[in-house]
Amino acid sequence: GQQVMQIPQYQHVQEGEDFTTYCNSSTTLSNIQWYKQRPGGHPVFLIQLVKSGEVKKQKRLTFQFGEAKKNSSLHITATQTTDVGTYFCVPQGGSEKLVFGKGTKLTVNP
Amino acid sequence: DAGVIQSPRHEVTEMGQEVTLRCKPISGHDYLFWYRQTMMRGLELLIYFNNNVPIDDSGMPEDRFSAKMPNASFSTLKIQPSEPRDSAVYFCASSAGAREKLFFGSGTQLSVL
Repeated sequence: GQQVMQIPQYQHVQEGEDFTTYCNSSTTLSNIQWYKQRPGGHPVFLIQLVKSGEVKKQKRLTFQFGEAKKNSSLHITATQTTDVGTYFCVPQGGSEKLVFGKGTKLTVNP
Repeated sequence: DAGVIQSPRHEVTEMGQEVTLRCKPISGHDYLFWYRQTMMRGLELLIYFNNNVPIDDSGMPEDRFSAKMPNASFSTLKIQPSEPRDSAVYFCASSAGAREKLFFGSGTQLSVL
């Protein structure tokens, strides 16, 4: 399956601070999906990025896909306690497989 | 649509017993995935099906694990015999096509004592 590195593995912020998680691949990706899993819950789809250099926004969340389609990022502006959870990037190359990693676990101190 | 339905939500069993986890995907979805989640290993893909046919089972840990999809609306993941290291949350997910977003069930929390 597609191998990517997602960093950081853990991030603790104060409410109101910004947060960014990064995914890096050694090979060119077809597309990348992002999911969020709340504590005790199941992963929920957030967005899919397909085009080189694509930037998409969902309220305080900004998703980017690199020009070379080898990296992606999720940025949250002014975190809130509702942002707590684990964020996963799920890359797709030539395979149909959707392989998750350990994600980035975000905790927010109120 | 009720979403992906998994049962049971919780399962506690003793080592050596057979465990069967069940999943009903969203109607019309062609792909079904089984994942296992632990703190140590994260969310691992075990196997996935396309149109009821197993496509890739390279993530299945060992012969004690087996998965079937007898029809488009039902899949099972069986562990026989179960071991304490199998304790984890097992998720089923379905999607409408290749490269489409996944819809996850609520998972089965398995504890093997």
